[in-house]
Amino acid sequence: ILNVEQSPQSLHVQEGDSTNFTCSFPSSNFYALHWYRWETAKSPEALFVMTLNGDEKKKGRISATLNTKEGYSYLYIKGSQPEDSATYLCAFTSSGGANNLFFGTGTRLTVIP
Amino acid sequence: GAGVSQSPRYKVAKRGQDVALRCDPISGHVSLFWYQQALGQGPEFLTYFQNEAQLDKSGLPSDRFFAERPEGSVSTLKIQRTQQEDSAVYLCASQGFFNEQFFGPGTRLTVL
Repeated sequence: ILNVEQSPQSLHVQEGDSTNFTCSFPSSNFYALHWYRWETAKSPEALFVMTLNGDEKKKGRISATLNTKEGYSYLYIKGSQPEDSATYLCAFTSSGGANNLFFGTGTRLTVIP
Repeated sequence: GAGVSQSPRYKVAKRGQDVALRCDPISGHVSLFWYQQALGQGPEFLTYFQNEAQLDKSGLPSDRFFAERPEGSVSTLKIQRTQQEDSAVYLCASQGFFNEQFFGPGTRLTVL
């Protein structure tokens, strides 16, 4: 089992605030890093798949960076809105495997109107 | 359908009962994965299919857990003689190009 850690575990922010979370993962045998948003009673929604060191991806107000050498990724949300409230999961896939995902425990974000 | 579907969405079972959880992947997706998410944890890998072949079942927690995908499309995860520790959300994902996995909404199993 590969150790993927996320912090913080939970976060409350005011509407309009910007925020960020951290995901750390093994730096050896890296293949890809995934970010998902999971709202209650819905399917986890893929946000980003990142494979290259230094990669930076953006989707609207959400962006992510990747450092494969030191084994971390940041997810940023600019100007948080109540609809951003969800659990944000990161997951790691290793090279040479079957592409099964190793997940962190998630960061639960609550945006207060 | 357009996405991955799972049924039932919620299942309550008495300890010792057998349950069967269904996953309908995105049409044409070759790879299918099952994950188990216990309360307060991240999802954990259970098993993986490529078409009808079960290539990895290393994550199945005991021999009470069994998965199949006989025609390379719909998959069923069966749990025999359920125990309280089996209570969890069971997620199914199918994989498209670029290694992106698309998830269903999960089945929440509660064993009393």
